[in-house]
Amino acid sequence: GNSVTQMEGPVTLSEEAFLTINCTYTATGYPSLFWYVQYPGEGLQLLLKATKADDKGSNKGFEATYRKETTSFHLEKGSVQVSDSAVYFCALKTRFGNEKLTFGTGTRLTIIP
Amino acid sequence: NAGVTQTPKFQVLKTGQSMTLQCAQDMNHEYMSWYRQDPGMGLRLIHYSVGAGITDQGEVPNGYNVSRSTTEDFPLRLLSAAPSQTSVYFCASSYGRQGDTEAFFGQGTRLTVV
Repeated sequence: GNSVTQMEGPVTLSEEAFLTINCTYTATGYPSLFWYVQYPGEGLQLLLKATKADDKGSNKGFEATYRKETTSFHLEKGSVQVSDSAVYFCALKTRFGNEKLTFGTGTRLTIIP
Repeated sequence: NAGVTQTPKFQVLKTGQSMTLQCAQDMNHEYMSWYRQDPGMGLRLIHYSVGAGITDQGEVPNGYNVSRSTTEDFPLRLLSAAPSQTSVYFCASSYGRQGDTEAFFGQGTRLTVV
């Protein structure tokens, strides 16, 4: 079956620090990979995605590269801001999986000024 | 744009009570789903639907019923609430038919069963 293993949190960083949140996966078939973000009191929203090996998804200064050889999709940002404080979820979906998303456990990120 | 709308936002139930969590989307999406979010467990799929009149079970379906009579609406029913159903519930929708489409989520319903 499909599974996503995500870096344990919580993570606390100072403003302008470099961020990495690790994500690895196992999947039957060829998955699409996603990072979703959940701001306090809100639902999840798509941050970025990648649909094939070596693709790089990017948005709002965040990046993640689909690495098939290491089955990974690590999230990075060069300089975090207080407004990046949120919970981040790595997820996958397989093409013939009826749109079902498999999520990691989430990583809570707090940025201090 | 309304997107995915969930009601209510908060609810407290007594053990054994029933209720329906409402979910509506205005994007004409075929695929809709319900997840529950629990600390340390991420989001887990309860039920999903690939179109009007078609539903199926997800990872944790016990204690929940769904129906899909229209494309827009996908209510989740708790027939006899239990404390183990205390959670945050999210409804999501997506276009479907492809593995790379974005899922849109509602703002969630925080349910407490006492």
